[in-house]
Amino acid sequence: AQTVTQSQPEMSVQEAETVTLSCTYDTSESDYYLFWYKQPPSRQMILVIRQEAYKQQNATENRFSVNFQKAAKSFSLKISDSQLGDAAMYFCAYNSAETDKLIFGTGTRLQVFP
Amino acid sequence: NAGVTQTPKFQVLKTGQSMTLQCAQDMNHEYMSWYRQDPGMGLRLIHYSVGAGITDQGEVPNGYNVSRSTTEDFPLRLLSAAPSQTSVYFCASSLSAGASTEAFFGQGTRLTVV
Repeated sequence: AQTVTQSQPEMSVQEAETVTLSCTYDTSESDYYLFWYKQPPSRQMILVIRQEAYKQQNATENRFSVNFQKAAKSFSLKISDSQLGDAAMYFCAYNSAETDKLIFGTGTRLQVFP
Repeated sequence: NAGVTQTPKFQVLKTGQSMTLQCAQDMNHEYMSWYRQDPGMGLRLIHYSVGAGITDQGEVPNGYNVSRSTTEDFPLRLLSAAPSQTSVYFCASSLSAGASTEAFFGQGTRLTVV
């Protein structure tokens, strides 16, 4: 079975600095997608960024980028120029074409200090 | 612009009571799912549906029932509530089953079983 591991329960960063959140996953499948979701205090789940496993190029969305290492099964999220509004819980998630199930990690709570 | 609507937002139940969490989406999405979120455990899949009339079990289905009589609605039933079902519940939908599609989430239901 596929698993997603986020080993950092909490992280903190100063405003305008850069922070990297870690995620590793375990799978024997070849066709899958990886996602980062943000959950602010409002509880709303918001898609931050997605990565197709077959693409070697790392996905980027404005200040958010990923470092996708397929052989190492690693999928970290880098937030540049951190803003107070980035403070939230961040979840890494895995979805495969075979199982149709979106599997989440346990989350990393990010604090941003002024 | 309703998206995914969950009701109620908060609920307190007594042990042994039954209730239904409602979920409706207006995006004509085929795929819908229910998750529960517990501290330190991320989001865990309870049940999912790839289309009207089709449902399947996720990671933690015990104590929950679902049905999908229409494309729009995917209610989650607790037959006999237990304190272990105290959690935040999220409904999600996506255009179709498949690894690449973005999941849209409702605002969540905070359920307390006493």
